[in-house]
Amino acid sequence: SQTIHQWPATLVQPVGSPLSLECTVEGTSNPNLYWYRQAAGRGLQLLFYSVGIGQISSEVPQNLSASRPQDRQFILSSKKLLLSDSGFYLCAWSVRGHSNYEQYFGPGTRLTVT
Amino acid sequence: SQKIEQNSEALNIQEGKTATLTCNYTNYSPAYLQWYRQDPGRGPVFLLLIRENEKEKRKERLKVTFDTTLKQSLFHITASQPADSATYLCALDRVLTGGGNKLTFGTGTQLKVEL
Repeated sequence: SQTIHQWPATLVQPVGSPLSLECTVEGTSNPNLYWYRQAAGRGLQLLFYSVGIGQISSEVPQNLSASRPQDRQFILSSKKLLLSDSGFYLCAWSVRGHSNYEQYFGPGTRLTVT
Repeated sequence: SQKIEQNSEALNIQEGKTATLTCNYTNYSPAYLQWYRQDPGRGPVFLLLIRENEKEKRKERLKVTFDTTLKQSLFHITASQPADSATYLCALDRVLTGGGNKLTFGTGTQLKVEL
């Protein structure tokens, strides 16, 4: 069966510090991968998606970046965090080659920027 | 731009009753619409997907309808139980260039089933 891991589960970082969140998927090959952010009281916002190694598409302008160094690894980074970067970060995957399949979400990382 | 509206107010119902949640959207004609469940502090969990040419979809106690004319989806939970208490998210589906799909989520409706 497939599983998706995210770490850390919670993170408290000062403004201006760097960020690295990691997501890995097991039990599937060539998945589509996604990073979402959920701010308090707001819906999930798609940040980045990837359909293959090294292929990253950004949905919104921001001080965040994403990378996919391996097929089942997706990393979200920032060089300098802003207060507005606080939120619940979720990684998700879906089956490659399908355009109408469900997405499977990880447990999330709660980021608080102080 | 696409806009999805779900009742922002929490829905409280009595155990055993049918819960009905509404999802309305504008400025978009999705080919698919999905519903997810999210518990506090957890990631969303997929429940049902309905295609534009399907009027209704069922899965156990769950039923989803999709009216492309009204631009509305209704999500029903019959014989509701306290364990059904959660936030339910509606998401519009859009195909991305190169494969994959983008889901645009509503803010969700919190359901509380009381004994």
